[in-house]
Amino acid sequence: AQSVTQPDIHITVSEGASLELRCNYSYGATPYLFWYVQSPGQGLQLLLKYFSGDTLVQGIKGFEAEFKRSQSSFNLRKPSVHWSDAAEYFCAVGASSGGSNYKLTFGKGTLLTVNP
Amino acid sequence: DADVTQTPRNRITKTGKRIMLECSQTKGHDRMYWYRQDPGLGLRLIYYSFDVKDINKGEISDGYSVSRQAQAKFSLSLESAIPNQTALYFCATSDPREGVYGYTFGSGTRLTVV
Repeated sequence: AQSVTQPDIHITVSEGASLELRCNYSYGATPYLFWYVQSPGQGLQLLLKYFSGDTLVQGIKGFEAEFKRSQSSFNLRKPSVHWSDAAEYFCAVGASSGGSNYKLTFGKGTLLTVNP
Repeated sequence: DADVTQTPRNRITKTGKRIMLECSQTKGHDRMYWYRQDPGLGLRLIYYSFDVKDINKGEISDGYSVSRQAQAKFSLSLESAIPNQTALYFCATSDPREGVYGYTFGSGTRLTVV
């Protein structure tokens, strides 16, 4: 069965600083990988996704993520954080449960605090 | 209108009460899911349905039941609510033609069991 680990429960950065959120996955085949963001009191918004091709993927709001198969990682990065980026971030892996049926498995989330 | 609508948005109920959370979608997707979110635990899958006649348990289905009344409607019931079912519940849909890419989430239902 697939699993996702987000090692950092809470990260605090200063506005304008760079950001990297870590994600490690476990899955026997090539995974579908996702990053979602949840702002306070809001639902989930998809930031970016990866299945194949270029291992560096660009997403919305200036985020990018790099797939590293050798490290089973899919870390999320942003060069310069804005106060509005304060939110909880979830990494997820999509895996087949048979045929074309897929399920998403989520990590436990990383809460990002941005200091002015 | 939202593609995936959850009702109610917030609910407080008493221990032992039966409660139903409803989800309706206008995406035309066959696949629907119920997740619960707890602080520090992320989202965990409760039940999922790949079509009207196909319902499956997820990783934490105990204490919950579901009903797929139509392609567009997927309800989650707590037969006898208990305080540790206090959580944020999300409904999601997906389109098999888009594979795993096509997930759409509702805005969530915040349930408090007192």
